[in-house]
Amino acid sequence: GQQLNQSPQSMFIQEGEDVSMNCTSSSIFNTWLWYKQDPGEGPVLLIALYKAGELTSNGRLTAQFGITRKDSFLNISASIPSDVGIYFCAGLPLTGGTSYGKLTFGQGTILTVHP
Amino acid sequence: DSGVTQTPKHLITATGQRVTLRCSPRSGDLSVYWYQQSLDQGLQFLIQYYNGEERAKGNILERFSAQQFPDLHSELNLSSLELGDSALYFCASSVGLTSGRENIQYFGAGTRLSVL
Repeated sequence: GQQLNQSPQSMFIQEGEDVSMNCTSSSIFNTWLWYKQDPGEGPVLLIALYKAGELTSNGRLTAQFGITRKDSFLNISASIPSDVGIYFCAGLPLTGGTSYGKLTFGQGTILTVHP
Repeated sequence: DSGVTQTPKHLITATGQRVTLRCSPRSGDLSVYWYQQSLDQGLQFLIQYYNGEERAKGNILERFSAQQFPDLHSELNLSSLELGDSALYFCASSVGLTSGRENIQYFGAGTRLSVL
């Protein structure tokens, strides 16, 4: 099946630092999504990307849909303690026809922010 | 609040038992998805329903089953429970099936299942 490789697996940073994480795939996706999950809660959608090369911001978060359609990046600027959590990328495959919407998730990046 | 409601929030049961998890999708969403998240693993897709019909299956055990009712709420049934079934179970919903925007999934807060 399709695999998404998300890196890094974990990050320990100081408050105020910028953060970058990415996802790569061997397959082409037509939609990339980034979610954040707080402990014991469900993933919350942060950013959705629909076109190759698209760059979208949500506050201090910026994500990009890679030109090859096989990767995506998420950047967090000026991190704060509440940014702590697990960040997941997810992709919707380009199946060449009607998609059943089966998201493929990355393994997650655990972010720890030290005050 | 994503608009997806899952009940119960916590469930504690014994091995061999059967439980039912319930999910109400966002208003207007026709598609419902179930995921399992164990401690050391990411989100594992279990099954998807669209407007009452099963549309996709992932790594769902035969002991597990699901259905989506005419009012679009869904239930995930877990039977002959084992210790390893302890996990967070999430439901997600989306508008439809085809375009990227219609496939964006919104997650509920999850049900934490503990099998003792």
